[in-house]
Amino acid sequence: DVKVTQSSRYLVKRTGEKVFLECVQDMDHENMFWYRQDPGLGLRLIYFSYDVKMKEKGDIPEGYSVSREKKERFSLILESASTNQTSMYLCASSSPPTVNEAFFGQGTRLTVV
Amino acid sequence: GQNIDQPTEMTATEGAIVQINCTYQTSGFNGLFWYQQHAGEAPTFLSYNVLDGLEEKGRFSSFLSRSKGYSYLLLKELQMKDSASYLCAVRGGGGSYIPTFGRGTSLIVHP
Repeated sequence: DVKVTQSSRYLVKRTGEKVFLECVQDMDHENMFWYRQDPGLGLRLIYFSYDVKMKEKGDIPEGYSVSREKKERFSLILESASTNQTSMYLCASSSPPTVNEAFFGQGTRLTVV
Repeated sequence: GQNIDQPTEMTATEGAIVQINCTYQTSGFNGLFWYQQHAGEAPTFLSYNVLDGLEEKGRFSSFLSRSKGYSYLLLKELQMKDSASYLCAVRGGGGSYIPTFGRGTSLIVHP
């Protein structure tokens, strides 16, 4: 079974803190994604990566950065957390054209206070 | 840009059939996905359509019409456990492998 694992299920951080969300996949997928999910807004793409050290901005990259030093690991960084970044964060991986569907991690519910 | 529309909420009765529609406008097309997401959990893959027509998988079927920018997910013999959010996602063209998600349809199944 493909496994996408996010480092934390729940996090509470203070405004202004630097926050790291880690994601690891074990199926050698090329593509990895970070989404945030908010009620009424659905999943919105923050960043994606199609290879090691490669990254592309998604629809809402402001206030975030990412790192992909190894193929299996994709990290999302909140440089200075703010309350409007309180959300559910979902990591996903895929490997088209052989693996078209995205496999998701269990999600990290981040609360910034 | 991409625009994906699906109803916000639907209700149905256990044992019935329900159809969840999704319309999209995209620059190019490289596949349409349906995912199921139970409250508090991650989305899980249900179906993938890249050619026109109906794909059947057990109680779930998905239909695609590329010329109309339209898809539906059909759930038969509804069970209480089918109460969940159903997400439509479209992959655009031009070599992009990034799925863009609609806002999801919350399905409530009543006894």
